[in-house]
Amino acid sequence: DAKTTQPTSMDCAEGRAANLPCNHSTISGNEYVYWYRQIHSQGPQYIIHGLKNNETNEMASLIITEDRKSSTLILPHATLRDTAVYYCIVRTNAGNMLTFGGGTRLMVKP
Amino acid sequence: EPEVTQTPSHQVTQMGQEVILRCVPISNHLYFYWYRQILGQKVEFLVSFYNNEISEKSEIFDDQFSVERPDGSNFTLKIRSTKLEDSAMYFCASSDRGDYYGYTFGSGTRLTVV
Repeated sequence: DAKTTQPTSMDCAEGRAANLPCNHSTISGNEYVYWYRQIHSQGPQYIIHGLKNNETNEMASLIITEDRKSSTLILPHATLRDTAVYYCIVRTNAGNMLTFGGGTRLMVKP
Repeated sequence: EPEVTQTPSHQVTQMGQEVILRCVPISNHLYFYWYRQILGQKVEFLVSFYNNEISEKSEIFDDQFSVERPDGSNFTLKIRSTKLEDSAMYFCASSDRGDYYGYTFGSGTRLTVV
């Protein structure tokens, strides 16, 4: 699976959009971009995934660049409860395992 | 919303003892997983299980580890002879069609080996 690079940490003001970037320059054609988050020591939580089109669900939006070498997770109106570590993971759907990196620690501040 | 349930939430055991961590995956899910997270470190894959057999495992999942689905609802992780370095949060997860819709993780069991 392709490697991803994320900033170690980010801050965001409550109520504002949080934009979390991820670089995955070695992504191959059959690899999807997945986002998970982990709040404190809880189990990771699936947020969203996509292949090449932008995706939106009730939690977030995923914007993937046309060359697919990077993506951005957008939390449109961040709340204090969105404070968590966010993981960008690139993988095919054929495999089973998720490889978690260090992620981005997002701190939402009042 | 359906949940993956893990018990116990915290287990303390003596080094060398066997432990069994229990998980109840979401009822219509077919794929089951164990991950662990040592304090302050990354979440690491241990094993995946499908159709009553291991489908993939990591280097961490050595002969001291085993998994079982003893009935239609439970999925267990056994560590035969615990070591201090097995102290970690252990997360169970399940999914319905591989990972297409994402895994659902449980809230974890904190294992402390003393």
